[in-house]
Amino acid sequence: GAVVSQHPSWVICKSGTSVKIECRSLDFQATTMFWYRQFPKQSLMLMATSNEGSKATYEQGVEKDKFLINHASLTLSTLTVTSAHPEDSSFYICSATGTGGAYTQYFGPGTRLTVL
Amino acid sequence: GDSVTQMEGPVTLSEEAFLTINCTYTATGYPSLFWYVQYPGEGLQLLLKATKADDKGSNKGFEATYRKETTSFHLEKGSVQVSDSAVYFCALTPGTSYGKLTFGQGTILTVHP
Repeated sequence: GAVVSQHPSWVICKSGTSVKIECRSLDFQATTMFWYRQFPKQSLMLMATSNEGSKATYEQGVEKDKFLINHASLTLSTLTVTSAHPEDSSFYICSATGTGGAYTQYFGPGTRLTVL
Repeated sequence: GDSVTQMEGPVTLSEEAFLTINCTYTATGYPSLFWYVQYPGEGLQLLLKATKADDKGSNKGFEATYRKETTSFHLEKGSVQVSDSAVYFCALTPGTSYGKLTFGQGTILTVHP
């Protein structure tokens, strides 16, 4: 149980285009979803926290106009990287918490974004 | 701010060897501490956790004890298996920010038969 999926698993796009990444909780309702970014050989860095039906809370230094997060339902959150540039290339990982509380954070497999 | 430091990897062991992965942290208040594991091609999974000083988390033969005096949460396993090959992340949540995880950089473990 408690499976989180991400789509796509990898994407390549041209500089200046926008890319949308989906995060779905498949068998539970996710009251809160988190988006992380991971650079090669580095740890995961929290980008933002989203609660269903409300605006996301972004971490310091994360541009909210560049990384648009929508948590429209209890099973889906999306991250849109707008006007992507090569420096946005990274591994993006989402996680979700349900009724088990925030200690029980279920992670998606991640999405590899490469911006040319 | 809060931070987590893990021992540098990668770590390569033979099957049935003893494993220790060191983790130390810096945080205000009383954080909760976690070990996550990421198997190849999969998402991170919670391996074990401890929420207060001297607590010992354990799962699948892995153990870690919350040591407030040394601000450490070292991961140990007495006899590793090939199937334990994965990336291990130490993490914490501050006592006042429920759910916001701060991760260490991860340690790659490879176990050979």
